Amino acid sequence: EIVLTQSPATLSLSPGETATLSCRASQSVSDFLAWYQQKPGQAPSLLIYDASNRATGIPARFSGSGSGTDFTLTITSVEPDDFAVYYCQHRSFWPITFGQGTRLEIK
Amino acid sequence: QLHLQESGPGLVQPSQTLSLTCGVSGGFISSGGYSWTWIRQTPREGLEWIGYIHHSGNTYYNPSLKTRVTISMDTSKNQFSLNLDSVTAADTAVYYCARGRTPTGRSWFDPWGQGTLVTVSS
Repeated sequence: EIVLTQSPATLSLSPGETATLSCRASQSVSDFLAWYQQKPGQAPSLLIYDASNRATGIPARFSGSGSGTDFTLTITSVEPDDFAVYYCQHRSFWPITFGQGTRLEIK
Repeated sequence: QLHLQESGPGLVQPSQTLSLTCGVSGGFISSGGYSWTWIRQTPREGLEWIGYIHHSGNTYYNPSLKTRVTISMDTSKNQFSLNLDSVTAADTAVYYCARGRTPTGRSWFDPWGQGTLVTVSS
Protein backbone atom coordinates (compact mmCIF):
# COMPACT_ATOMS: atom_id res chain seq x y z
CA GLU A 1 0.00 0.00 0.00
CA ILE A 2 1.30 3.44 -0.92
CA VAL A 3 1.56 5.83 2.00
CA LEU A 4 1.02 9.51 1.26
CA THR A 5 2.62 11.86 3.78
CA GLN A 6 1.41 15.44 3.80
CA SER A 7 3.28 18.35 5.30
CA PRO A 8 2.96 20.50 7.19
CA ALA A 9 0.09 19.18 9.31
CA THR A 10 -1.05 22.75 9.87
CA LEU A 11 -0.17 25.86 7.90
CA SER A 12 -0.96 29.27 9.37
CA LEU A 13 -1.13 32.12 6.88
CA SER A 14 -2.73 35.49 6.42
CA PRO A 15 -5.02 36.22 3.47
CA GLY A 16 -2.99 37.29 0.47
CA GLU A 17 -0.03 35.05 1.28
CA THR A 18 0.96 32.02 -0.80
CA ALA A 19 0.33 28.53 0.56
CA THR A 20 2.63 25.66 -0.37
CA LEU A 21 1.40 22.21 0.62
CA SER A 22 3.43 19.05 0.15
CA CYS A 23 2.46 15.43 -0.49
CA ARG A 24 5.14 12.73 -0.59
CA ALA A 25 4.45 9.17 -1.75
CA SER A 26 6.21 6.13 -0.34
CA GLN A 27 6.88 5.00 -3.93
CA SER A 28 6.37 6.52 -7.35
CA VAL A 29 2.78 7.20 -8.36
CA SER A 30 3.80 8.76 -11.70
CA ASP A 31 1.49 11.77 -12.06
CA PHE A 32 -1.59 9.97 -10.75
CA LEU A 33 -2.21 12.30 -7.84
CA ALA A 34 -5.24 14.39 -6.95
CA TRP A 35 -5.89 17.15 -4.43
CA TYR A 36 -9.12 17.86 -2.56
CA GLN A 37 -10.39 20.64 -0.32
CA GLN A 38 -12.65 19.86 2.63
CA LYS A 39 -14.51 22.45 4.67
CA PRO A 40 -16.14 21.65 8.03
CA GLY A 41 -19.26 19.54 7.69
CA GLN A 42 -18.78 19.08 3.96
CA ALA A 43 -17.49 16.36 1.70
CA PRO A 44 -14.11 16.74 0.06
CA SER A 45 -14.24 18.47 -3.30
CA LEU A 46 -11.85 17.95 -6.17
CA LEU A 47 -9.29 20.67 -6.93
CA ILE A 48 -6.57 19.04 -9.01
CA TYR A 49 -6.29 15.70 -10.80
CA ASP A 50 -3.32 13.93 -12.34
CA ALA A 51 -0.91 16.23 -10.53
CA SER A 52 -1.50 19.47 -12.40
CA ASN A 53 -4.96 19.57 -14.01
CA ARG A 54 -7.45 21.92 -12.40
CA ALA A 55 -10.94 20.55 -12.03
CA THR A 56 -13.83 22.36 -13.64
CA GLY A 57 -14.54 25.69 -11.97
CA ILE A 58 -11.40 25.76 -9.83
CA PRO A 59 -9.74 29.20 -9.78
CA ALA A 60 -6.33 29.66 -11.33
CA ARG A 61 -4.82 30.54 -7.94
CA PHE A 62 -4.83 26.79 -7.24
CA SER A 63 -2.03 24.94 -9.00
CA GLY A 64 -0.50 21.50 -8.69
CA SER A 65 2.93 20.25 -9.62
CA GLY A 66 5.20 17.27 -9.21
CA SER A 67 5.59 13.70 -10.36
CA GLY A 68 6.96 10.46 -9.03
CA THR A 69 7.01 10.81 -5.26
CA ASP A 70 6.93 14.55 -4.57
CA PHE A 71 3.96 16.79 -5.22
CA THR A 72 2.97 20.33 -4.33
CA LEU A 73 -0.30 22.19 -4.15
CA THR A 74 0.20 25.94 -4.36
CA ILE A 75 -2.48 28.47 -3.52
CA THR A 76 -1.40 31.88 -4.71
CA SER A 77 -2.78 34.81 -2.71
CA VAL A 78 -4.91 32.82 -0.28
CA GLU A 79 -8.47 34.07 0.09
CA PRO A 80 -10.66 33.77 3.21
CA ASP A 81 -12.69 30.99 1.56
CA ASP A 82 -9.55 28.87 1.11
CA PHE A 83 -9.03 28.14 4.79
CA ALA A 84 -9.85 24.43 4.98
CA VAL A 85 -8.24 21.00 5.07
CA TYR A 86 -6.49 19.72 1.96
CA TYR A 87 -5.94 16.07 1.06
CA CYS A 88 -3.91 14.33 -1.59
CA GLN A 89 -4.91 10.98 -3.11
CA HIS A 90 -3.16 8.63 -5.53
CA ARG A 91 -4.69 6.32 -8.10
CA SER A 92 -1.55 4.59 -9.27
CA PHE A 93 -1.97 1.17 -7.63
CA TRP A 94 -4.53 -0.71 -5.60
CA PRO A 95 -5.57 0.25 -3.04
CA ILE A 96 -6.23 3.90 -3.58
CA THR A 97 -5.05 5.86 -0.55
CA PHE A 98 -5.29 9.39 0.80
CA GLY A 99 -2.90 11.55 2.76
CA GLN A 100 -3.71 12.59 6.31
CA GLY A 101 -4.38 16.17 5.32
CA THR A 102 -2.96 19.65 5.82
CA ARG A 103 -5.06 22.18 7.69
CA LEU A 104 -4.75 25.70 6.30
CA GLU A 105 -5.70 28.10 9.06
CA ILE A 106 -5.91 31.84 9.40
CA LYS A 107 -2.92 33.39 11.11
CA GLN B 1 -25.26 18.54 -12.79
CA LEU B 2 -24.66 15.19 -11.17
CA HIS B 3 -25.83 14.82 -7.57
CA LEU B 4 -25.21 11.90 -5.22
CA GLN B 5 -27.08 11.29 -1.97
CA GLU B 6 -26.31 8.64 0.64
CA SER B 7 -29.11 7.08 2.66
CA GLY B 8 -29.38 4.40 5.30
CA PRO B 9 -29.46 3.78 9.05
CA GLY B 10 -27.39 6.07 11.22
CA LEU B 11 -27.00 3.43 13.93
CA VAL B 12 -25.97 -0.18 13.44
CA GLN B 13 -25.55 -2.85 16.11
CA PRO B 14 -22.14 -4.49 16.48
CA SER B 15 -21.76 -7.70 14.44
CA GLN B 16 -24.62 -6.65 12.14
CA THR B 17 -24.48 -5.51 8.52
CA LEU B 18 -24.14 -1.86 7.57
CA SER B 19 -26.20 -1.11 4.47
CA LEU B 20 -26.13 2.19 2.60
CA THR B 21 -27.51 3.33 -0.73
CA CYS B 22 -26.30 6.12 -2.98
CA GLY B 23 -29.00 7.68 -5.14
CA VAL B 24 -27.75 9.40 -8.28
CA SER B 25 -29.54 12.20 -10.10
CA GLY B 26 -28.57 14.32 -13.06
CA GLY B 27 -26.93 11.41 -14.83
CA PHE B 28 -27.06 7.66 -15.22
CA ILE B 29 -24.89 5.13 -13.45
CA SER B 30 -25.17 2.96 -16.56
CA SER B 31 -23.13 5.52 -18.46
CA GLY B 32 -19.77 4.22 -19.49
CA GLY B 33 -16.59 5.94 -18.51
CA TYR B 34 -17.22 6.19 -14.78
CA SER B 35 -16.87 4.10 -11.66
CA TRP B 36 -19.12 4.34 -8.60
CA THR B 37 -17.24 4.43 -5.35
CA TRP B 38 -17.58 4.30 -1.58
CA ILE B 39 -15.17 6.13 0.73
CA ARG B 40 -15.31 6.58 4.48
CA GLN B 41 -13.76 9.05 6.90
CA THR B 42 -12.91 8.85 10.57
CA PRO B 43 -11.02 11.34 12.74
CA ARG B 44 -8.44 8.65 13.56
CA GLU B 45 -7.89 6.97 10.20
CA GLY B 46 -8.77 9.81 7.87
CA LEU B 47 -10.13 9.05 4.40
CA GLU B 48 -10.29 5.37 3.45
CA TRP B 49 -11.25 4.13 -0.01
CA ILE B 50 -13.65 1.18 0.35
CA GLY B 51 -14.28 0.02 -3.21
CA TYR B 52 -16.00 0.63 -6.52
CA ILE B 53 -18.38 -0.82 -9.05
CA HIS B 54 -18.68 -0.24 -12.78
CA HIS B 55 -21.93 -0.73 -14.68
CA SER B 56 -20.32 -3.73 -16.38
CA GLY B 57 -20.37 -5.39 -12.98
CA ASN B 58 -16.66 -5.06 -12.31
CA THR B 59 -15.81 -4.40 -8.69
CA TYR B 60 -12.70 -4.01 -6.59
CA TYR B 61 -12.48 -3.68 -2.86
CA ASN B 62 -9.86 -2.42 -0.45
CA PRO B 63 -7.96 -5.53 0.71
CA SER B 64 -8.34 -4.33 4.29
CA LEU B 65 -12.13 -4.70 3.99
CA LYS B 66 -12.45 -7.20 1.15
CA THR B 67 -13.80 -10.09 3.21
CA ARG B 68 -16.67 -7.97 4.58
CA VAL B 69 -17.64 -5.64 1.70
CA THR B 70 -20.10 -5.96 -1.14
CA ILE B 71 -20.93 -3.14 -3.55
CA SER B 72 -23.85 -3.59 -5.92
CA MET B 73 -25.87 -1.45 -8.28
CA ASP B 74 -29.46 -1.18 -9.46
CA THR B 75 -29.52 0.62 -12.79
CA SER B 76 -33.33 0.65 -12.85
CA LYS B 77 -33.29 2.80 -9.71
CA ASN B 78 -30.09 4.62 -10.69
CA GLN B 79 -28.45 3.80 -7.40
CA PHE B 80 -25.62 1.75 -5.97
CA SER B 81 -25.21 0.22 -2.55
CA LEU B 82 -22.68 -0.74 0.10
CA ASN B 83 -22.96 -3.68 2.46
CA LEU B 84 -20.36 -4.08 5.21
CA ASP B 85 -20.69 -7.22 7.30
CA SER B 86 -19.79 -7.95 10.90
CA VAL B 87 -19.30 -4.33 11.88
CA THR B 88 -17.48 -3.14 14.99
CA ALA B 89 -16.99 0.24 16.59
CA ALA B 90 -14.01 0.72 14.27
CA ASP B 91 -16.46 0.97 11.36
CA THR B 92 -18.06 4.08 12.85
CA ALA B 93 -17.42 6.73 10.21
CA VAL B 94 -18.87 9.21 7.78
CA TYR B 95 -19.56 7.25 4.61
CA TYR B 96 -19.39 8.98 1.24
CA CYS B 97 -20.37 7.85 -2.22
CA ALA B 98 -18.59 9.42 -5.15
CA ARG B 99 -18.19 9.15 -8.89
CA GLY B 100 -14.84 7.99 -10.15
CA ARG B 101 -13.86 9.75 -13.33
CA THR B 102 -12.41 6.65 -15.02
CA PRO B 103 -14.12 3.31 -15.68
CA THR B 104 -11.39 1.26 -14.05
CA GLY B 105 -12.00 2.39 -10.49
CA ARG B 106 -8.46 3.75 -10.18
CA SER B 107 -9.61 7.31 -10.42
CA TRP B 108 -10.03 10.70 -8.91
CA PHE B 109 -13.46 11.42 -7.44
CA ASP B 110 -15.90 14.11 -8.44
CA PRO B 111 -18.51 14.77 -7.28
CA TRP B 112 -19.05 13.36 -3.80
CA GLY B 113 -22.25 12.90 -1.86
CA GLN B 114 -22.69 14.96 1.30
CA GLY B 115 -21.84 11.95 3.46
CA THR B 116 -23.75 10.09 6.14
CA LEU B 117 -22.59 9.32 9.66
CA VAL B 118 -22.95 5.70 10.67
CA THR B 119 -22.36 4.81 14.31
CA VAL B 120 -21.79 1.23 15.38
CA SER B 121 -23.07 0.80 18.91
CA SER B 122 -25.42 -1.28 20.98
